[in-house]
Amino acid sequence: AQTVTQSQPEMSVQEAETVTLSCTYDTSENNYYLFWYKQPPSRQMILVIRQEAYKQQNATENRFSVNFQKAAKSFSLKISDSQLGDTAMYFCAFIPNFGNEKLTFGTGTRLTIIP
Amino acid sequence: NAGVMQNPRHLVRRRGQEARLRCSPMKGHSHVYWYRQLPEEGLKFMVYLQKENIIDESGMPKERFSAEFPKEGPSILRIQQVVRGDSAAYFCASSPVGLADEQYFGPGTRLTVT
Repeated sequence: AQTVTQSQPEMSVQEAETVTLSCTYDTSENNYYLFWYKQPPSRQMILVIRQEAYKQQNATENRFSVNFQKAAKSFSLKISDSQLGDTAMYFCAFIPNFGNEKLTFGTGTRLTIIP
Repeated sequence: NAGVMQNPRHLVRRRGQEARLRCSPMKGHSHVYWYRQLPEEGLKFMVYLQKENIIDESGMPKERFSAEFPKEGPSILRIQQVVRGDSAAYFCASSPVGLADEQYFGPGTRLTVT
């Protein structure tokens, strides 16, 4: 069974600063995907970024990037030039890559961007 | 191309009533997943269905909860005799066949049991 751990229940940062959210996971699988989802107050789940485990290069989407350390089973999210609209819950999630499977989510980090 | 649709968005039920939550997957998607989010928690998997088949219900409570995805029409998550502890947001996601990494989420149904 897979587990996903987010050890930071809450974080806050000043607007325009950089913030890093932590995520670790445990799995015996070698091939899998990792995701960061954003959940704003509207509660809609929005995919922020994804990483394939077989790719060594860290994924990047505009101001969002990840630091994927496969051996350490670590998958942190860095948000650069943070904006007020980044205020949300952020969930790390894992899915093994052998067909349609369920996502396993962490407990989330509540990020507040301070004006 | 419409996204995943869920209705109702908000549902209020008294204890003991039944709740029916509907999910229409994206066009061309034949796989549906239901997740539950209790207050201040992450999403927890409940059940995974394909058309007319339950593939994995390992996250579903053994009693009062059932799910279906008929050949025609939306997927239904049914909760009988609701209790206060069932109050949560219920999310549906859909994916195309054979792709492990593409699950598209609906906006969720917020169930409140009074």
